[in-house]
Amino acid sequence: DAGITQSPRHKVTETGTPVTLRCHQTENHRYMYWYRQDPGHGLRLIHYSYGVKDTDKGEVSDGYSVSRSKTEDFLLTLESATSSQTSVYFCAISEQGILNTGELFFGEGSRLTVL
Amino acid sequence: GENVEQHPSTLSVQEGDSAVIKCTYSDSASNYFPWYKQELGKRPQLIIDIRSNVGEKKDQRIAVTLNKTAKHFSLHITETQPEDSAVYFCAALAYSGAGSYQLTFGKGTKLSVIP
Repeated sequence: DAGITQSPRHKVTETGTPVTLRCHQTENHRYMYWYRQDPGHGLRLIHYSYGVKDTDKGEVSDGYSVSRSKTEDFLLTLESATSSQTSVYFCAISEQGILNTGELFFGEGSRLTVL
Repeated sequence: GENVEQHPSTLSVQEGDSAVIKCTYSDSASNYFPWYKQELGKRPQLIIDIRSNVGEKKDQRIAVTLNKTAKHFSLHITETQPEDSAVYFCAALAYSGAGSYQLTFGKGTKLSVIP
Protein backbone atom coordinates (compact mmCIF):
# COMPACT_ATOMS: atom_id res chain seq x y z
CA ASP A 1 0.00 0.00 0.00
CA ALA A 2 1.12 3.52 -0.78
CA GLY A 3 2.25 5.51 2.24
CA ILE A 4 -0.87 7.53 2.98
CA THR A 5 -2.24 8.17 6.44
CA GLN A 6 -5.36 10.06 7.35
CA SER A 7 -6.19 11.56 10.71
CA PRO A 8 -8.38 11.38 12.56
CA ARG A 9 -9.88 8.10 11.39
CA HIS A 10 -13.11 8.73 13.27
CA LYS A 11 -14.61 11.96 14.54
CA VAL A 12 -17.94 12.99 15.98
CA THR A 13 -18.64 16.69 16.19
CA GLU A 14 -21.52 19.10 16.54
CA THR A 15 -23.11 21.32 13.93
CA GLY A 16 -21.32 24.65 13.59
CA THR A 17 -17.94 23.52 14.84
CA PRO A 18 -14.80 23.65 12.68
CA VAL A 19 -13.20 20.38 11.65
CA THR A 20 -9.85 19.67 10.00
CA LEU A 21 -8.90 16.37 8.43
CA ARG A 22 -5.28 15.67 7.64
CA CYS A 23 -3.77 13.60 4.87
CA HIS A 24 -0.08 12.75 5.07
CA GLN A 25 1.90 10.97 2.36
CA THR A 26 5.42 9.60 2.27
CA GLU A 27 5.48 8.92 -1.50
CA ASN A 28 6.44 12.46 -2.59
CA HIS A 29 3.58 12.40 -5.13
CA ARG A 30 2.70 15.75 -6.62
CA TYR A 31 -1.08 15.31 -6.76
CA MET A 32 -3.39 14.96 -3.78
CA TYR A 33 -7.17 14.76 -3.64
CA TRP A 34 -10.02 14.77 -1.15
CA TYR A 35 -13.12 12.73 -1.94
CA ARG A 36 -16.26 12.07 0.05
CA GLN A 37 -18.14 8.80 -0.13
CA ASP A 38 -21.83 8.58 0.61
CA PRO A 39 -24.27 5.70 0.07
CA GLY A 40 -25.83 5.97 -3.36
CA HIS A 41 -23.40 8.66 -4.52
CA GLY A 42 -20.12 6.88 -5.07
CA LEU A 43 -16.97 8.95 -4.71
CA ARG A 44 -17.19 12.68 -5.30
CA LEU A 45 -14.22 15.03 -5.58
CA ILE A 46 -14.13 17.90 -3.10
CA HIS A 47 -10.80 19.59 -3.81
CA TYR A 48 -7.47 18.62 -5.21
CA SER A 49 -3.90 19.89 -5.25
CA TYR A 50 -1.36 19.80 -8.03
CA GLY A 51 1.54 21.15 -5.99
CA VAL A 52 2.46 23.07 -2.87
CA LYS A 53 -0.01 25.93 -2.48
CA ASP A 54 -1.71 24.96 -5.74
CA THR A 55 -5.27 23.78 -5.25
CA ASP A 56 -8.50 23.69 -7.20
CA LYS A 57 -12.16 22.92 -6.61
CA GLY A 58 -13.87 19.69 -7.36
CA GLU A 59 -17.47 18.71 -7.90
CA VAL A 60 -18.70 19.29 -4.31
CA SER A 61 -16.44 22.02 -2.90
CA ASP A 62 -19.04 24.21 -1.19
CA GLY A 63 -18.48 24.34 2.57
CA TYR A 64 -14.92 23.00 2.33
CA SER A 65 -11.50 24.58 2.09
CA VAL A 66 -8.06 23.02 1.68
CA SER A 67 -4.45 23.90 2.21
CA ARG A 68 -1.17 22.38 1.15
CA SER A 69 1.89 24.04 2.65
CA LYS A 70 4.15 21.00 2.23
CA THR A 71 4.31 18.28 -0.40
CA GLU A 72 3.43 15.62 2.15
CA ASP A 73 0.40 17.21 3.81
CA PHE A 74 -3.03 18.11 2.46
CA LEU A 75 -5.57 19.48 4.91
CA LEU A 76 -9.34 19.55 4.46
CA THR A 77 -11.25 22.04 6.61
CA LEU A 78 -14.93 22.33 7.29
CA GLU A 79 -15.24 25.87 8.64
CA SER A 80 -18.68 25.25 10.17
CA ALA A 81 -19.73 21.61 9.98
CA THR A 82 -23.28 20.73 8.96
CA SER A 83 -25.14 17.41 9.17
CA SER A 84 -24.99 17.11 5.38
CA GLN A 85 -21.22 16.81 5.72
CA THR A 86 -21.53 13.55 7.64
CA SER A 87 -19.61 11.20 5.38
CA VAL A 88 -16.53 9.09 4.89
CA TYR A 89 -13.69 11.19 3.55
CA PHE A 90 -10.92 9.66 1.48
CA CYS A 91 -7.64 11.24 0.64
CA ALA A 92 -5.92 10.05 -2.54
CA ILE A 93 -2.57 10.67 -4.17
CA SER A 94 -1.18 10.14 -7.64
CA GLU A 95 2.25 10.53 -9.11
CA GLN A 96 0.94 11.71 -12.43
CA GLY A 97 -1.97 14.03 -12.82
CA ILE A 98 -5.39 12.80 -13.71
CA LEU A 99 -4.88 14.08 -17.25
CA ASN A 100 -2.00 11.65 -17.59
CA THR A 101 -4.25 8.92 -16.19
CA GLY A 102 -2.27 8.53 -13.02
CA GLU A 103 -3.55 5.77 -10.72
CA LEU A 104 -5.17 7.04 -7.56
CA PHE A 105 -3.90 5.56 -4.29
CA PHE A 106 -6.42 6.05 -1.51
CA GLY A 107 -5.96 6.45 2.20
CA GLU A 108 -7.95 4.40 4.69
CA GLY A 109 -10.69 6.99 5.08
CA SER A 110 -11.92 9.25 7.86
CA ARG A 111 -15.46 8.77 9.11
CA LEU A 112 -16.99 12.09 10.18
CA THR A 113 -20.32 12.36 11.97
CA VAL A 114 -21.88 15.79 12.46
CA LEU A 115 -24.65 15.81 15.05
CA GLY B 1 -20.16 18.06 -16.76
CA GLU B 2 -19.63 14.35 -17.11
CA ASN B 3 -22.33 11.99 -15.87
CA VAL B 4 -21.59 8.32 -15.22
CA GLU B 5 -24.41 5.83 -14.73
CA GLN B 6 -23.59 2.40 -13.29
CA HIS B 7 -25.77 -0.71 -13.30
CA PRO B 8 -26.75 -2.79 -11.49
CA SER B 9 -26.44 -1.33 -8.00
CA THR B 10 -26.34 -4.82 -6.51
CA LEU B 11 -25.41 -8.14 -8.08
CA SER B 12 -25.39 -11.64 -6.63
CA VAL B 13 -23.77 -14.55 -8.45
CA GLN B 14 -22.90 -18.13 -7.63
CA GLU B 15 -19.23 -18.90 -7.18
CA GLY B 16 -17.74 -19.83 -10.53
CA ASP B 17 -20.26 -17.85 -12.56
CA SER B 18 -19.46 -14.65 -14.45
CA ALA B 19 -20.39 -11.14 -13.39
CA VAL B 20 -20.87 -8.12 -15.63
CA ILE B 21 -21.16 -4.51 -14.51
CA LYS B 22 -22.05 -1.80 -17.01
CA CYS B 23 -21.43 1.93 -17.07
CA THR B 24 -22.50 4.66 -19.45
CA TYR B 25 -21.00 8.12 -19.74
CA SER B 26 -22.24 11.34 -21.24
CA ASP B 27 -19.16 13.24 -22.43
CA SER B 28 -17.94 11.90 -25.77
CA ALA B 29 -14.54 13.50 -25.10
CA SER B 30 -13.89 11.23 -22.09
CA ASN B 31 -10.81 9.15 -22.81
CA TYR B 32 -9.86 7.15 -19.72
CA PHE B 33 -11.99 4.65 -17.83
CA PRO B 34 -10.68 3.01 -14.64
CA TRP B 35 -12.39 0.50 -12.37
CA TYR B 36 -11.86 0.51 -8.62
CA LYS B 37 -12.67 -2.26 -6.15
CA GLN B 38 -13.55 -1.51 -2.54
CA GLU B 39 -13.76 -4.37 -0.05
CA LEU B 40 -15.88 -3.87 3.04
CA GLY B 41 -14.29 -1.32 5.33
CA LYS B 42 -11.28 -0.88 3.07
CA ARG B 43 -9.99 1.73 0.67
CA PRO B 44 -10.79 1.70 -3.08
CA GLN B 45 -8.06 0.16 -5.23
CA LEU B 46 -7.55 0.24 -8.98
CA ILE B 47 -8.10 -3.15 -10.59
CA ILE B 48 -8.09 -2.36 -14.30
CA ASP B 49 -8.36 0.59 -16.65
CA ILE B 50 -8.82 1.25 -20.34
CA ARG B 51 -8.11 4.16 -22.63
CA SER B 52 -10.30 5.34 -25.46
CA ASN B 53 -7.98 4.03 -28.19
CA VAL B 54 -8.48 0.44 -26.99
CA GLY B 55 -11.64 -1.64 -27.24
CA GLU B 56 -10.84 -4.35 -24.73
CA LYS B 57 -8.30 -5.13 -22.03
CA LYS B 58 -7.84 -8.29 -19.99
CA ASP B 59 -6.00 -9.13 -16.80
CA GLN B 60 -6.43 -12.74 -15.73
CA ARG B 61 -10.09 -13.16 -14.70
CA ILE B 62 -11.12 -9.56 -15.26
CA ALA B 63 -11.67 -7.70 -18.49
CA VAL B 64 -13.01 -4.33 -19.51
CA THR B 65 -14.66 -3.49 -22.81
CA LEU B 66 -15.31 -0.04 -24.25
CA ASN B 67 -17.81 1.03 -26.89
CA LYS B 68 -17.09 4.66 -27.70
CA THR B 69 -19.92 4.96 -30.18
CA ALA B 70 -22.48 3.93 -27.60
CA LYS B 71 -20.56 5.61 -24.77
CA HIS B 72 -20.55 2.62 -22.50
CA PHE B 73 -17.97 0.37 -20.90
CA SER B 74 -18.26 -2.83 -18.92
CA LEU B 75 -16.36 -4.88 -16.36
CA HIS B 76 -16.39 -8.64 -16.79
CA ILE B 77 -15.30 -11.01 -14.05
CA THR B 78 -15.10 -14.69 -14.93
CA GLU B 79 -14.94 -17.69 -12.61
CA THR B 80 -15.98 -15.55 -9.65
CA GLN B 81 -14.60 -16.33 -6.22
CA PRO B 82 -15.77 -15.27 -2.74
CA GLU B 83 -12.89 -12.79 -2.55
CA ASP B 84 -14.40 -10.95 -5.52
CA SER B 85 -17.21 -9.82 -3.21
CA ALA B 86 -16.85 -6.04 -2.94
CA VAL B 87 -18.19 -2.75 -4.25
CA TYR B 88 -16.95 -1.88 -7.72
CA PHE B 89 -16.81 1.68 -9.05
CA CYS B 90 -16.40 2.72 -12.64
CA ALA B 91 -15.13 6.17 -13.55
CA ALA B 92 -14.62 8.38 -16.57
CA LEU B 93 -12.09 11.14 -17.11
CA ALA B 94 -13.42 14.30 -18.70
CA TYR B 95 -12.67 17.97 -19.02
CA SER B 96 -14.40 19.86 -16.22
CA GLY B 97 -13.68 23.43 -17.32
CA ALA B 98 -11.04 26.07 -16.54
CA GLY B 99 -8.24 23.81 -17.67
CA SER B 100 -9.15 21.06 -15.21
CA TYR B 101 -9.89 17.38 -15.71
CA GLN B 102 -11.77 15.22 -13.26
CA LEU B 103 -12.57 11.60 -12.70
CA THR B 104 -16.32 11.19 -12.32
CA PHE B 105 -17.27 8.00 -10.52
CA GLY B 106 -20.37 5.87 -10.88
CA LYS B 107 -22.40 5.15 -7.76
CA GLY B 108 -21.02 1.67 -7.33
CA THR B 109 -22.13 -1.95 -7.68
CA LYS B 110 -22.14 -4.25 -4.67
CA LEU B 111 -21.13 -7.69 -5.89
CA SER B 112 -21.82 -10.70 -3.70
CA VAL B 113 -20.36 -14.07 -4.67
CA ILE B 114 -22.26 -16.91 -3.05
CA PRO B 115 -20.14 -19.97 -2.22
